[in-house]
Amino acid sequence: NAGVTQTPKFQVLKTGQSMTLQCAQDMNHEYMSWYRQDPGMGLRLIHYSVGAGITDQGEVPNGYNVSRSTTEDFPLRLLSAAPSQTSVYFCASSSGQAYSPLHFGNGTRLTVT
Amino acid sequence: AQRVTQPEKLLSVFKGAPVELKCNYSYSGSPELFWYVQYSRQRLQLLLRHISRESIKGFTADLNKGETSFHLKKPFAQEEDSAMYYCALTGSARQLTFGSGTQLTVLP
Repeated sequence: NAGVTQTPKFQVLKTGQSMTLQCAQDMNHEYMSWYRQDPGMGLRLIHYSVGAGITDQGEVPNGYNVSRSTTEDFPLRLLSAAPSQTSVYFCASSSGQAYSPLHFGNGTRLTVT
Repeated sequence: AQRVTQPEKLLSVFKGAPVELKCNYSYSGSPELFWYVQYSRQRLQLLLRHISRESIKGFTADLNKGETSFHLKKPFAQEEDSAMYYCALTGSARQLTFGSGTQLTVLP
């Protein structure tokens, strides 16, 4: 069972560069989300999606774009990376039913210099 | 706005001692509370949720609406319990809000 798969595991970018963090799930989950994890701040929601074609902003959306063209994939785009975006990024999915648990990917550690 | 507070960033206990990880929340409606755990080099995973009234790996958590708390407890800590623990809340919008986490270390 693959579950939630994130790529890459590690990435180093220079300020101003762009990149896409990939996330795929094979559980036919409707709900997908992106979090960033920073020391002392826990996990903060960036963007989320309740189904294909539907996305919405979370707590810290600035500097990030998402799209949801298929149920399986939910990529996160950084259009112009900044040092403040240095973080560990987690993708998560759930069935979308009330109070269903989130299934997390292994994370992507991003460093912006 | 919904908020989750975990006042302890670090918590150390000796093996066999009781452990309590504190979690307080603010939410205007009726929230659902969760505890997630991240063991070293593993992905974040659900430990338990209030709605299930369950005990997982000896851990329990009781929702106290009067004190708006959902503390995680275990009577006898084990070394394998060492991990990062996150309390989380979800309301009607289905967005999950996490606390800042507590790093638990169980000493031998």
